[in-house]
Amino acid sequence: EIVLTQSPGTLSLSPGERATLSCRASQSVSSSQLAWYQQKPGQAPRLLIYGASSRATGVPDRFSGSGSGTDFTLTISRLEPEDFVVYYCQQYDGSPRTFGGGTKVEIK
Amino acid sequence: QVQLVQSGAEVKKPGASVKVSCKASGYTFTGYFVHWLRQAPGQGLEWMAWINPSRGATNYAQKFQGRVTMTRDTSITTAYMELNSLTSDDTAVYYCARGSEVGATAKAAFEIWGQGTRVTVSS
Repeated sequence: EIVLTQSPGTLSLSPGERATLSCRASQSVSSSQLAWYQQKPGQAPRLLIYGASSRATGVPDRFSGSGSGTDFTLTISRLEPEDFVVYYCQQYDGSPRTFGGGTKVEIK
Repeated sequence: QVQLVQSGAEVKKPGASVKVSCKASGYTFTGYFVHWLRQAPGQGLEWMAWINPSRGATNYAQKFQGRVTMTRDTSITTAYMELNSLTSDDTAVYYCARGSEVGATAKAAFEIWGQGTRVTVSS
């Protein structure tokens, strides 16, 4: 099973600042089959990034993904008020599909 | 539009079973895998299983093997997740999500999600 570790657990920033979220895998994720999701309270997760760096349909370009192998990053270039929620990484390379523990982005 | 609509909230007693449905619309139901996931209160996401709606083949996470059953009814484009021998640890929101295209070599992230079904297990 591929274990994903997200850091930090909580990120305290101000609107307009840049957010950098990390996801580290216990073994290499082939073909960059790594996704990022955003989850707002009471809602289902929303796919932001797939293939480590491709934005899903309708996702603003302030969201970007990078990385390969075992180290992946989600960057939010300028935080908007609606971005202060929880983010999860997920690998869909192997079975079982696994998720990181999440990073909460909160207003400083 | 492409969507998955799940059945409503459930309250069950310990030891009981629950069956959650997930109705697909806007796409060819038998053309994509359907996955089930859950999220306990205040916790992260946990993958449970997938079903190939075309053939009915299933793959369960080891944690749930023997306790969960995934089925589908192609005539009404609906997938089902049944979980038995419920305990308080099964209290969670259960989601279905559309996965990879059946027959495709490439795997896919979960772009389409159901709205979630809250299952509460309490005596």
